[in-house]
Amino acid sequence: DVVLTQSPISLPVTLGQPAYISCRATQSLEFSDGNTYLSWFQQRPGQSPRPLIYRISNRDSGVPDRFSGSESGTDFTLTISRVEAEDVGVYYCVLATQWPKTFGQGTRVEI
Amino acid sequence: QVQLVQSGAEVKKPGASVKVSCKASGYIFSHFGVSWVRQAAGQGLEWMGWVSAYNGNTNYAQIFKTRVTMTTDSSTSTAYLELRSLRSDDTAVYYCVRDTFSFGAASLLDYWGQGTPVIVST
Repeated sequence: DVVLTQSPISLPVTLGQPAYISCRATQSLEFSDGNTYLSWFQQRPGQSPRPLIYRISNRDSGVPDRFSGSESGTDFTLTISRVEAEDVGVYYCVLATQWPKTFGQGTRVEI
Repeated sequence: QVQLVQSGAEVKKPGASVKVSCKASGYIFSHFGVSWVRQAAGQGLEWMGWVSAYNGNTNYAQIFKTRVTMTTDSSTSTAYLELRSLRSDDTAVYYCVRDTFSFGAASLLDYWGQGTPVIVST
């Protein structure tokens, strides 16, 4: 099974500054249809997780454009271009095409 | 709008069973599946398994296979998670999540229930 390793585990940020979260895979994540179904989720304190990004770089409905996703080989990055107070929480990556599913261990973003 | 509404908090003794429900609305239930994900306090997300509302097929995480049953009832658009032989380390919030109807396809995980706290304690 593919293992997803996130870093850092804890990310202190400054309001208005960018933040970068990494998700590294142990092997290629490309699916049989040629797509890579790497997703990102946000979990604010006390809330259910919420989808942010699907297929590496596509924002889910209602997600602000300060959130973006990118890849470099088996390394995937979630970028928050200018952190806002409401971005505090834990961020997870997951491979949508892997069964069983494993989430990354999470990255806690704190001001 | 799509909603998944879960049943309320449960307190169980070790060795007991718990059954959590997840009522879906706002979409055609039988066109999708449901995954169950749990989260212990201060911990990450743990996928437990999936059930197809289309044909009832299931896929369970290995560590839960002997203790879990996931079902759906299309007449009420409700998914169920039953976990047996509860232990203290099953104490967690349990989420239902809308997913693909077909095993092996790319998961959706696009709508999450509000979570059901399950406490296992003597």
